[in-house]
Amino acid sequence: DAGVIQSPRHEVTEMGQEVTLRCKPISGHDYLFWYRQTMMRGLELLIYFNNNVPIDDSGMPEDRFSAKMPNASFSTLKIQPSEPRDSAVYFCASSFNNYGYTFGSGTRLTVV
Amino acid sequence: GESVGLHLPTLSVQEGDNSIINCAYSNSASDYFIWYKQESGKGPQFIIDIRSNMDKRQGQRVTVLLNKTVKHLSLQIAATQPGDSAVYFCAEGGLTGGGNKLTFGTGTQLKVEL
Repeated sequence: DAGVIQSPRHEVTEMGQEVTLRCKPISGHDYLFWYRQTMMRGLELLIYFNNNVPIDDSGMPEDRFSAKMPNASFSTLKIQPSEPRDSAVYFCASSFNNYGYTFGSGTRLTVV
Repeated sequence: GESVGLHLPTLSVQEGDNSIINCAYSNSASDYFIWYKQESGKGPQFIIDIRSNMDKRQGQRVTVLLNKTVKHLSLQIAATQPGDSAVYFCAEGGLTGGGNKLTFGTGTQLKVEL
């Protein structure tokens, strides 16, 4: 298996623009997680899905952030409009039945 | 102004020595714990996990110890190698009660000196 695949690896965008991050979980995994990592706050859970259904989105910073999982093999995290303070590395992770949390390589987002 | 980031504790060890990285977790209800290794520019990589019904688990060159009484977790790396240099995170979570999300510690920087 290729592991958790995220795209793009790097994204630079201007403040106010819409940003969409993408994730393909490991085939067969039933949980998908979106994390954000910054120097200030470390690794924070934003939202997670179980069988494509959002379970807990209490970590989503504000309404500018939204996440979808239209099927078992794809998820998106969207920020609209983006702000400089959204600059971070965003990780997607997946697991099967609570075990084997595996992270992707992350998307480094820079909002200027 | 200058931004202030998290201050990561740093552990420096000589190549070939054993390393012990410690972690205090916060939630007494957590029943699943994982250690991750993160190299620069990469995502966290699973090292070893342990469930709360165990107090010790061994992998290849790594051992995790769990002390639920004091909510303490440690990662022992035997014969530390330069490739072990990275930031190590402990994570706690719940396998029961629907708590499937992980809460991460701030991490420890391990530096292996030749």
